[in-house]
Amino acid sequence: DAGITQSPRHKVTETGTPVTLRCHQTENHRYMYWYRQDPGHGLRLIHYSYGVKDTDKGEVSDGYSVSRSKTEDFLLTLESATSSQTSVYFCAISPGDRGSYEQYFGPGTRLTVT
Amino acid sequence: QKEVEQNSGPLSVPEGAIASLNCTYSDRGSQSFFWYRQYSGKSPELIMSIYSNGDKEDGRFTAQLNKASQYVSLLIRDSQPSDSATYLCAVIKYAGNMLTFGGGTRLMVKP
Repeated sequence: DAGITQSPRHKVTETGTPVTLRCHQTENHRYMYWYRQDPGHGLRLIHYSYGVKDTDKGEVSDGYSVSRSKTEDFLLTLESATSSQTSVYFCAISPGDRGSYEQYFGPGTRLTVT
Repeated sequence: QKEVEQNSGPLSVPEGAIASLNCTYSDRGSQSFFWYRQYSGKSPELIMSIYSNGDKEDGRFTAQLNKASQYVSLLIRDSQPSDSATYLCAVIKYAGNMLTFGGGTRLMVKP
């Protein structure tokens, strides 16, 4: 398995509270991504990073922010959690070099907002 | 029209048969194509990538790409019950490494 860990693996939180999910990689890959997966919607990109302090929005970025202060860590923050953000969140990494666009996924975080 | 379309299934095949999974995409500028396998409750696992027209084989898996017809397929030979999973097709539309996923096809291999 690619060296990707996510923490926490499970979290239950209340509406209106801030939540931070962490993705950590040991592969020194340039690109890191956050996805959410929901029944009926599949996997959707939230935000991604193409280097330290370089991030951009994905398809479903509203209500989320990210930070990447080190190559190995990519944080996803739900500023004020809502029930619609109940989902499974996956981090992915990619070398991003020419010809190496494969993305490898972490184990996921199951988040429940009550 | 969805950007990446897959039949949701389930696709049921007997053990030992060939499973054929299909995916169509809408953007002719798409450059890179991937197949992921996802077991229930687990994360997606990359099983094949294909970048140019034609076939690419890896063990029991063959990916086929036809850019003119805008489809990519995955063949699984000698299907095993352990192949039962959801298979996700993913496409990179342009340089920038952003994947767009199809909804997935659930495959069931019956002993």
